[in-house]
Amino acid sequence: GENVEQHPSTLSVQEGDSAVIKCTYSDSASNYFPWYKQELGKRPQLIIDIRSNVGEKKDQRIAVTLNKTAKHFSLHITETQPEDSAVYFCAASGSGNTPLVFGKGTRLSVIA
Amino acid sequence: GAVVSQHPSRVICKSGTSVKIECRSLDFQATTMFWYRQFPKKSLMLMATSNEGSKATYEQGVEKDKFLINHASLTLSTLTVTSAHPEDSSFYICSARDPRSLEQYFGPGTRLTVT
Repeated sequence: GENVEQHPSTLSVQEGDSAVIKCTYSDSASNYFPWYKQELGKRPQLIIDIRSNVGEKKDQRIAVTLNKTAKHFSLHITETQPEDSAVYFCAASGSGNTPLVFGKGTRLSVIA
Repeated sequence: GAVVSQHPSRVICKSGTSVKIECRSLDFQATTMFWYRQFPKKSLMLMATSNEGSKATYEQGVEKDKFLINHASLTLSTLTVTSAHPEDSSFYICSARDPRSLEQYFGPGTRLTVT
């Protein structure tokens, strides 16, 4: 089955700096790669996703890149703000009703 | 607004009792829903895939007789924790996948505490 590795487990950045979180996956059949933000005690919220037919996607300060050959994808947050502090999870899945497999998460702290 | 609801949000029960958690898909019909468990400061671990009208598919190591899943309609899946023990205390989150966009939406979660 699919295995998703995520790094780093914790990340501290100064406000205004960029943050990068990286994930690798094992199943070449996976074609959907979402990123979730989870605040303490709350549900994961989808912040951006990318599909295997696209190499990069951007939404304001957030961007995701995908390298299918290397089987890795990354989340980039620019101009970080304190409210970006949370746990971020990457995930991967195939098509249809296959479940998402999550990485272990990255705890991002943005220091004002 | 929320596309997946979950009830209850918090429940405290005594050891040996059973607890039922409901997950509803509000905006789309979900033939498949997923149940996850999350321990403090840990990632989401898939417990089972709930299939409408058929048996759930459980992940390795998850006891099907302890975590009963029923998916009786296209908008409702239930997870029943039977004979709960303190080690079952956790955050349980359901999710449903929108078949149109493939996006997976999560319920708000249920924090179960077994005393």
